Amino acid sequence: DAGITQSPRHKVTETGTPVTLRCHQTENHRYMYWYRQDPGHGLRLIHYSYGVKDTDKGEVSDGYSVSRSKTEDFLLTLESATSSQTSVYFCAVRGQDFSGNTIYFGEGSWLTVV
Amino acid sequence: SQQGEEDPQALSIQEGENATMNCSYKTSINNLQWYRQNSGRGLVHLILIRSNEREKHSGRLRVTLDTSKKSSSLLITASRAADTASYFCATDESGGYNKLIFGAGTRLAVHP
Repeated sequence: DAGITQSPRHKVTETGTPVTLRCHQTENHRYMYWYRQDPGHGLRLIHYSYGVKDTDKGEVSDGYSVSRSKTEDFLLTLESATSSQTSVYFCAVRGQDFSGNTIYFGEGSWLTVV
Repeated sequence: SQQGEEDPQALSIQEGENATMNCSYKTSINNLQWYRQNSGRGLVHLILIRSNEREKHSGRLRVTLDTSKKSSSLLITASRAADTASYFCATDESGGYNKLIFGAGTRLAVHP
């Protein structure tokens, strides 16, 4: 499982409140990713990181920010949650296999914005 | 925008039959990967095929890649009820930071 832990696993929050999801990894992976999964859309990349303090936007980054102050933690923040951000959020890391290309996923964080 | 598009969206078969899922994509890629997702769980990596490979096998899985047609297929032979899941293709675009772009997936149901 590449040592990935997501927290919280489930959260219900109100519109307009800030929310932070945490991804913690224990295997010193350099590359980390946040995806969201919605019915009919598969997974869409929100933000990714290629090192401490090095992050960039994915295809659906509006309304989200990220931070990576240390290798093991990649935080996803919804500054002011909206109902359209109700989704399942997956953290992922790039594995250290021989190809360096396999992406491993956490178990997901279910977020409901009411 | 999605890179990979799976076909069919849903597939229902009997145990023992083969299941074939197709994926089409739009841009040049470094590799293409297939993932499986059981209901309510994270994605599990199944197999990776590089852009210079045409076919790859792993157990009951066979993946083909046709870069001229920008398409791939995943074949699961002798399917089992435990193969019931959603299957996603994901493309790793050339020049990217291994940012996988996923399709919407194929929902496979294998009936005993």
